[in-house]
Amino acid sequence: NAGVMQNPRHLVRRRGQEARLRCSPMKGHSHVYWYRQLPEEGLKFMVYLQKENIIDESGMPKERFSAEFPKEGPSILRIQQVVRGDSAAYFCASSPRDWAGDTEAFFGQGTRLTVV
Amino acid sequence: AQTVTQSQPEMSVQEAETVTLSCTYDTSESDYYLFWYKQPPSRQMILVIRQEAYKQQNATENRFSVNFQKAAKSFSLKISDSQLGDAAMYFCAGGSQGNLIFGKGTKLSVKP
Repeated sequence: NAGVMQNPRHLVRRRGQEARLRCSPMKGHSHVYWYRQLPEEGLKFMVYLQKENIIDESGMPKERFSAEFPKEGPSILRIQQVVRGDSAAYFCASSPRDWAGDTEAFFGQGTRLTVV
Repeated sequence: AQTVTQSQPEMSVQEAETVTLSCTYDTSESDYYLFWYKQPPSRQMILVIRQEAYKQQNATENRFSVNFQKAAKSFSLKISDSQLGDAAMYFCAGGSQGNLIFGKGTKLSVKP
């Protein structure tokens, strides 16, 4: 059973370009969470998705950021018109049910986005 | 948890000794969960231990245990018999429904 797969591991974009980060959850997991980690900081929640639904996007910036988790395929975190401040590590986690109580969520290894 | 505070940016322990990492939190929720995660240089986030807030008994996982003081909103991690492989960043986190709040982390060094 492969773990949570994120790709690419490293992504370099010029200012103004678009960044697409992919997350394939563990087999059987239908809940996906995206977090962002700035240098020297802890992870900050961005969005929680189930298949075809956004459950909680309270941590998503209002502009340029969007996320989806289609019925088929990986979850995508999309950042339009990237700026230097978007440079960070972006982590995805997945769980088979709502992440609470006896349910463990597993993290991917993250995508390090660098905006030049 | 709405806020999670780790007051120790760095800690050091001698191999085979015991070390305690501190964490305090603040929340208005009645149903929440607390976690300790380990992040080695590979950046992988690894769950160390988990505590349900409604359980009074402190969670234990092999050499790792927590001291959960609900009234004081404290959730410290104790690592016994420290090993070189324990060296990493440790993050305390809390919340519910997948929306976790993370502390800024404590960098743990283990001296041989």
